[in-house]
Amino acid sequence: EAGVVQSPRYKIIEKKQPVAFWCNPISGHNTLYWYLQNLGQGPELLIRYENEEAVDDSQLPKDRFSAERLKGVDSTLKIQPAELGDSAVYLCASSLQAGGQETQYFGPGTRLLVL
Amino acid sequence: SQQGEEDPQALSIQEGENATMNCSYKTSINNLQWYRQNSGRGLVHLILIRSNEREKHSGRLRVTLDTSKKSSSLLITASRAADTASYFCATNTGNQFYFGTGTSLTVIP
Repeated sequence: EAGVVQSPRYKIIEKKQPVAFWCNPISGHNTLYWYLQNLGQGPELLIRYENEEAVDDSQLPKDRFSAERLKGVDSTLKIQPAELGDSAVYLCASSLQAGGQETQYFGPGTRLLVL
Repeated sequence: SQQGEEDPQALSIQEGENATMNCSYKTSINNLQWYRQNSGRGLVHLILIRSNEREKHSGRLRVTLDTSKKSSSLLITASRAADTASYFCATNTGNQFYFGTGTSLTVIP
């Protein structure tokens, strides 16, 4: 069974540029999560989807971050414009059920460096 | 903000020794999970313990949960060099899911 796929694995951009990350969850997983992880910290939830609906986006900085999950399968997270403080690892995870009742399966993450 | 905090922040032990890390949290939970993260990789689920459970085992892992103290511990017995990683607790409150700050474990061969 294929795991959660994320691309790109690494991205270097200059500040004020846009950037997008893509995630393909495990087949059949209804719930998809985007997390931000700073160095030496635990992941922090940005947004959670149940199918195509964003059910928790309270921690998503909506002035510059946006996400979509068209057709309830893969998802894209976008930052526009990027700031220096956005440098971090962006993790995508998926699970069969919502709300952390089941195991979350994580992708390898996208490491973003904003110069 | 992160609800959970792991203690210690870093732990270094010899291969074969046991490793214990603790997690404290702030609010009532439905379940608590432990994850491992190897350097530069995503997180891998280790074990889940529900709020009505006090102890759970999985291979060399033993997890305890004390809801009265809002704390959990993860014990890794007979550690191996391959156990070197960061370990995170994650609490599920029903509507929210929070990761702790992590314990960095180094197992010296």
